[in-house]
Amino acid sequence: GENVEQHPSTLSVQEGDSAVIKCTYSDSASNYFPWYKQELGKRPQLIIDIRSNVGEKKDQRIAVTLNKTAKHFSLHITETQPEDSAVYFCAASTSQNTGNQFYFGTGTSLTVIP
Amino acid sequence: DGGITQSPKYLFRKEGQNVTLSCEQNLNHDAMYWYRQDPGQGLRLIYYSQIVNDFQKGDIAEGYSVSREKKESFPLTVTSAQKNPTAFYLCASSPQGGDYGYTFGSGTRLTVV
Repeated sequence: GENVEQHPSTLSVQEGDSAVIKCTYSDSASNYFPWYKQELGKRPQLIIDIRSNVGEKKDQRIAVTLNKTAKHFSLHITETQPEDSAVYFCAASTSQNTGNQFYFGTGTSLTVIP
Repeated sequence: DGGITQSPKYLFRKEGQNVTLSCEQNLNHDAMYWYRQDPGQGLRLIYYSQIVNDFQKGDIAEGYSVSREKKESFPLTVTSAQKNPTAFYLCASSPQGGDYGYTFGSGTRLTVV
């Protein structure tokens, strides 16, 4: 099955700096890669996703890049703010007729220091 | 809240007891999932269901059971066979097919006392 690895497990940045979180996956059939943000004690929320036919996607201060050849994808947050502090999870899935099962990374705890 | 509701928010289980966690969605999603979240281990899949009256084991199904009698509901029972049930449990749903992100419930924190 799919194996998703995520690094780093913790990340501290100064407010205004950029943060980058990287994930690798093992199954070349994976074709959908969402990113979730989970604030303390709350549910994970989808913040951005990318499909395998796209190399990069941007939404305001958040961007995701995908390298299918190397089987890795990354989350980039620019101009970080204290409210960006949370745990971020990457995931990979293979779209099938029976639905999409996600495989999650182990999470990155991001702290933005004011 | 967000179309998918989990209850209770906190649950305490005595040794040897079975407990059931509720998950209800009004998003008309076909697929539903149960994940367990432990510190440092991310989200691990327990069970998932693509359609009513059908469900599949995930990576850590031992000690758990589910049912899917209605499209809207996917309850999870933590049985006495689950030796280390203390964790945060998340239910999620998604439309069938295609590439769609999950919608998560707000979670149930289960503690063994």
